[in-house]
Amino acid sequence: DTAVSQTPKYLVTQMGNDKSIKCEQNLGHDTMYWYKQDSKKFLKIMFSYNNKELIINETVPNRFSPKSPDKAHLNLHINSLELGDSAVYFCASSQDPTSVKTQYFGPGTRLLVL
Amino acid sequence: AQSVTQLGSHVSVSEGALVLLRCNYSSSVPPYLFWYVQYPNQGLQLLLKYTSAATLVKGINGFEAEFKKSETSFHLTTPSAHMSDAAEYFCAVRNYGGSQGNLIFGKGTKLSVKP
Repeated sequence: DTAVSQTPKYLVTQMGNDKSIKCEQNLGHDTMYWYKQDSKKFLKIMFSYNNKELIINETVPNRFSPKSPDKAHLNLHINSLELGDSAVYFCASSQDPTSVKTQYFGPGTRLLVL
Repeated sequence: AQSVTQLGSHVSVSEGALVLLRCNYSSSVPPYLFWYVQYPNQGLQLLLKYTSAATLVKGINGFEAEFKKSETSFHLTTPSAHMSDAAEYFCAVRNYGGSQGNLIFGKGTKLSVKP
């Protein structure tokens, strides 16, 4: 019954490694987002896809690459992880990007880079 | 550019007391405003949203917020705090830029409730 799910929930890894976070929504939404929450709890948009097309690409290092194989999935791949990448990453979805329908958030993936 | 400012990074109240969490917005167009709550180690849950209908918006868990254009505010209140209300609260405005639609968040206010 989970609307927006993310895997894994926790991720501990070494600097320099490559890792992926997966997100799936079963709400039939067209738009999905990745937000980053830093250690001070500040939330900021990273990427957004609408119907599998990238519509938001904020100033994020090229090491971060989103991939949307279909409307229900938006994965985040991170190359050459750095200490500063440690954060909580939230996936979200909404019906479409232009309405004010609610954005539903996943439980978050807590990434710790050692 | 749109933004929201939450005054007070930490608010502490006694159980049963009134809760007031402040949010002011900046927007060149009529804003769409949201309050989300984040319980410890969990995701974000929508409390309520303002979408230019009624200015007084009622949400879940006994919370409500009033949109005041003259004060550019959207403060969140509940008349009686419960221990279970202890969490981080985020005010957000929807990005009006083109087809983007992402949320722009304030820095959050941590609510503590004392017994």
